[in-house]
Amino acid sequence: KQEVTQIPAALSVPEGENLVLNCSFTDSAIYNLQWFRQDPGKGLTSLLLIQSSQREQTSGRLNASLDKSSGRSTLYIAASQPGDSATYLCAVKEGSSNTGKLIFGQGTTLQVKP
Amino acid sequence: ETGVTQTPRHLVMGMTNKKSLKCEQHLGHNAMYWYKQSAKKPLELMFVYNFKEQTENNSVPSRFSPECPNSSHLFLHLHTLQPEDSALYLCASSQALGVIGGSKETQYFGPGTRLLVL
Repeated sequence: KQEVTQIPAALSVPEGENLVLNCSFTDSAIYNLQWFRQDPGKGLTSLLLIQSSQREQTSGRLNASLDKSSGRSTLYIAASQPGDSATYLCAVKEGSSNTGKLIFGQGTTLQVKP
Repeated sequence: ETGVTQTPRHLVMGMTNKKSLKCEQHLGHNAMYWYKQSAKKPLELMFVYNFKEQTENNSVPSRFSPECPNSSHLFLHLHTLQPEDSALYLCASSQALGVIGGSKETQYFGPGTRLLVL
């Protein structure tokens, strides 16, 4: 059974710092991996999607990497800002391309202090 | 309206009540999803619909009854719920599953319905 773990559960950093969020999964047979952002009381917003054949994706100050063989992904946030404060969720899509099932981690709650 | 909308945003119900959650997507998608997000637990998939047909039921108790009348609307009918069913219920949509490139697309989420069962 696929399990997704995110470390740390919570993180507090001063503004301007570069930081790394970690995600690990137990079964390397994934179709893709996504990082989402969730603001309090709101739904999820997709940040980056990495297909299983890719190693990384970049969007602005965000860079996500994927090492399928070791079951790991990282989300790198450069020059963090208070507006980056949110919960970041990692999710993997399993095996078959015909399934929409995403398996989520519990998330890392990030606070960026001004 | 754009994106994925959910109503109501907040709901308080007793264990003997019957209520329904509504989700509507304005993105032209053909796959829709219900997720449950409980405190201190990972977000959990409940149901998947593809072209109005249910393709996934993740062992959800029968007190939750989904309905997908068309590709733009998804309902979750609730009856005789338990206090442990209190959670944030999120709806999402995506391109149709099983079509070329469909599963490469991300899912777009609504803001959720915060449910409290007393």
